[in-house]
Amino acid sequence: AQSVTQLDSQVPVFEEAPVELRCNYSSSVSVYLFWYVQYPNQGLQLLLKYLSGSTLVKGINGFEAEFNKSQTSFHLRKPSVHISDTAEYFCAVKVRDRDDKIIFGKGTRLHILP
Amino acid sequence: SQTIHQWPATLVQPVGSPLSLECTVEGTSNPNLYWYRQAAGRGLQLLFYSVGIGQISSEVPQNLSASRPQDRQFILSSKKLLLSDSGFYLCAWSVRGGGRNTIYFGEGSWLTVV
Repeated sequence: AQSVTQLDSQVPVFEEAPVELRCNYSSSVSVYLFWYVQYPNQGLQLLLKYLSGSTLVKGINGFEAEFNKSQTSFHLRKPSVHISDTAEYFCAVKVRDRDDKIIFGKGTRLHILP
Repeated sequence: SQTIHQWPATLVQPVGSPLSLECTVEGTSNPNLYWYRQAAGRGLQLLFYSVGIGQISSEVPQNLSASRPQDRQFILSSKKLLLSDSGFYLCAWSVRGGGRNTIYFGEGSWLTVV
């Protein structure tokens, strides 16, 4: 079975500072990896995804993530955050080549401090 | 383009009453469909997923059920609601195709059981 661990439930960061949101996964088979963002009282939107190829993936709103197979990690980063980045961020995993469930982590709430 | 509609947006129901949340997807065929619940402090929990009409997989034993009467319609139901059923319910879909495809979320339904 697959699982996703987001190590931080909340991350406070000053505006214009860099941020890293951590995600580790567990799976005995190859997976696809995703990061989603949820703004208050809304559904989730895709930020970026890793399917194959380059381990550094760039997404929307200046975010990027790096797939590290040896550490089974897919950490999300942004070099300079803005107030508008205040949201909850979810890491997710899906088994390759199978049409079934996507498993999400418990989420990390990003607080941007002025 | 594809769209996903979920309703009602908010719902306040007494304990022991029935529940029906509906979700429809437009602009695609044979989608994978999902119901997630987001409860305070518990992240995003997969409840049900479906890869076809009448094919429902349940992830968590509970008093909720799901049905897929048509290809692009997914319904979440309960015969008798519990207080613990309160939360934010999200319907989602993805193109069938081996897991590499993005999952798209509806805007969610807030359920408060009183």
